[in-house]
Amino acid sequence: GAVVSQHPSRVICKSGTSVKIECRSLDFQATTMFWYRQFPKQSLMLMATSNEGSKATYEQGVEKDKFLINHASLTLSTLTVTSAHPEDSSFYICSAMGGTGVPYNEQFFGPGTRLTVL
Amino acid sequence: DAKTTQPPSMDCAEGRAANLPCNHSTISGNEYVYWYRQIHSQGPQYIIHGLKNNETNEMASLIITEDRKSSTLILPHATLRDTAVYYCIVRVDSGYALNFGKGTSLLVTP
Repeated sequence: GAVVSQHPSRVICKSGTSVKIECRSLDFQATTMFWYRQFPKQSLMLMATSNEGSKATYEQGVEKDKFLINHASLTLSTLTVTSAHPEDSSFYICSAMGGTGVPYNEQFFGPGTRLTVL
Repeated sequence: DAKTTQPPSMDCAEGRAANLPCNHSTISGNEYVYWYRQIHSQGPQYIIHGLKNNETNEMASLIITEDRKSSTLILPHATLRDTAVYYCIVRVDSGYALNFGKGTSLLVTP
């Protein structure tokens, strides 16, 4: 149990376009989802925290107008990178926690999405 | 959450025990020690966590010193598939986001 999926697994886009990444909790309802970003040879950095039905909380230095997060249901959160530029190329990872059937404070991670902006 | 210190890299021969240390000298009484690992280009995977007692599961053992200022993750019989970056994270049990440090890059060799 406690499986989190991400789609797509990798995406290549042109500079200036927008890209949407989906994060789904497949077998549990997640009250909270997190979005992390990881640049090559670096650790994961938290971008934002989202709770179902409310606005996401962004970490300092993360532009909320550039990285749009929608957590419309207990099983789906989306991250949209708007007007992507090469410096946005990174590995984006989501995690989910909370809900019934899973330990309340345990985070379950998705497999990540590799974004390359040309 | 308290800060952790881990060696940047370690090597281990396949079949031998891998002992990964972590210092967390400023840990508070209500903070747990969590271990995650990340295999290259994958999402992190939970391994184990504990408060003050030693813990064991099917993946690993966690040994926490009596003063709780350090801990050791033990992979009893390392395999090539255990090659990954291992993160030691200290977190209040009711806390939310995980603060990933730099971790230890473990290389298991044949």
